[in-house]
Amino acid sequence: DADVTQTPRNRITKTGKRIMLECSQTKGHDRMYWYRQDPGLGLRLIYYSFDVKDINKGEISDGYSVSRQAQAKFSLSLESAIPNQTALYFCATSDASGGAYNEQFFGPGTRLTVL
Amino acid sequence: QKEVEQDPGPLSVPEGAIVSLNCTYSNSAFQYFMWYRQYSRKGPELLMYTYSSGNKEDGRFTAQVDKSSKYISLFIRDSQPSDSATYLCAMSAGYSGYALNFGKGTSLLVTP
Repeated sequence: DADVTQTPRNRITKTGKRIMLECSQTKGHDRMYWYRQDPGLGLRLIYYSFDVKDINKGEISDGYSVSRQAQAKFSLSLESAIPNQTALYFCATSDASGGAYNEQFFGPGTRLTVL
Repeated sequence: QKEVEQDPGPLSVPEGAIVSLNCTYSNSAFQYFMWYRQYSRKGPELLMYTYSSGNKEDGRFTAQVDKSSKYISLFIRDSQPSDSATYLCAMSAGYSGYALNFGKGTSLLVTP
C-alpha cells in the first residue's frame, strides 16, 4: 500500500464550488505539506504543518485553507474555486527527526480542473 | 526573481549519452541540495541529496554543488530510456521543518 495517499485523484468542478482534497499517510511523520504544480511554474508551497496544532501559510495560501485532523491526515480546501486554481496538487510528508535534511515524500497527486 | 532557477527544457538525448542538468540559486543561506525525479502522473521522489559543496556519486548519477557560484548540477552517465522524467532541484537553508525551494523542473527524454 502507498505510504502517502491522496483523494480524489482527479476532480472537475465549477467556479464557486467548495472543494476538499484529502491526504493520508502511514509513514508516522509529523510534518505535512500541500503544494500545487503548474506548467512553467514548478512546485509552490500552499500550507505546511509541523504537527496537529501547528499550521503555517506557504508561498501561495490565498484562496485556500487547511485542516490537520490527526497526525496522519491533512486536508486542503478551496472555499470558492476559481479557474486559475486548476493545477496538480501534491501532499508531502517529512520526518521531524530527520532534522534539516527534511526529505519529503510525495503522494501521487490530485489533478483539479475548475471550469 | 525566484530563488531557484532551472531551465525547463525539454531536453532530448540518445540512449547512452551523458546528461547534464543544472540549477542556479540566489539565497546564500541554502546548504541542503536535492534532486527529485518525477515520472509522468506521479509524485516527485528523492534521487540525490548533498550537503554544502562538493560531489556525490550514486551509480550512474553524480550531484555537484558549487556554493561559490551558487550553481548545482546533476550528471547522468549512460542514460537510459527509463531515465525519461522531469528532474527538479530543491534546496533548503536547513531551518527545521521548513519546506523546500524547488526549481521549475527540467523535462528529459532519452530516446532508444
